[in-house]
Amino acid sequence: SAVISQKPSRDICQRGTSLTIQCQVDSQVTMMFWYRQQPGQSLTLIATANQGSEATYESGFVIDKFPISRPNLTFSTLTVSNMSPEDSSIYLCSVENNLYNEQFFGPGTRLTVL
Amino acid sequence: DQQVKQNSPSLSVQEGRISILNCDYTNSMFDYFLWYKKYPAEGPTFLISISSIKDKNEDGRFTVFLNKSAKHLSLHIVPSQPGDSAVYFCAASDYNTDKLIFGTGTRLQVFP
Repeated sequence: SAVISQKPSRDICQRGTSLTIQCQVDSQVTMMFWYRQQPGQSLTLIATANQGSEATYESGFVIDKFPISRPNLTFSTLTVSNMSPEDSSIYLCSVENNLYNEQFFGPGTRLTVL
Repeated sequence: DQQVKQNSPSLSVQEGRISILNCDYTNSMFDYFLWYKKYPAEGPTFLISISSIKDKNEDGRFTVFLNKSAKHLSLHIVPSQPGDSAVYFCAASDYNTDKLIFGTGTRLQVFP
C-alpha cells in the first residue's frame, strides 16, 4: 500500500483568496487523483493528474479554478482559486495501486471558506 | 445523475450482530465494485472489492454480494464490532476508465 500525506490538514480562508494543497506519496505512481467531498455528498473526482502531462478535469471542474501541478511521480498540488464559501469541502488526493482500480487516499484537507 | 446510490445514510447495529450495507448502481458498464471505510479526519481506506464476473467475495468478517441483474451490491459484516463504526462508501468503475464513482456513504454505528 502507498502512504500519502497532505498539507495542510485543514485551513480557514477568506473569500477571494487561493489555497494550494500538497500531496506527497512515498512511492512513484503514474496516476494521481484529486477528489472533493462536500458536506453530505459523495466523493467527487475533480481531475486526474499524470506526470508530464496536463491534468484531465471532470465535468464541472476547470483548470482556472483548480490548477494542478504534477512535477514528479511522488508529488502533486491542487490549488483552489478565488475561493467562495461553496468551495468549503474536504479535498483528498488519491493514487492507484498495482491492483485493478484500487485506490489509496490521503487523509484529506478540510477547507473552510468564510 | 447519481450513478451509485446508497439510500441509507445511517445504520445502527448491536455488537455481534450482522451489519448489511446496501448499494445500487445504474450504469450497466460498471464491472468492478469496491467498498471503502472512512473514519473521521482520515481518508477512505480500501476494504473489499468484487469483479462483475463474481457474485460473492469474502474476506474475514466482510463479504460483498453482487446481483448484476438488480444492479445491487451489499456488504455484510459478521460479527459487527464497535471498531467497525465508520462511514462506508461503495464505489464502481468500468474497464474503459480508471475513475471511481462513489456513493454518498452510509454511517454505521455498532453499539455494545
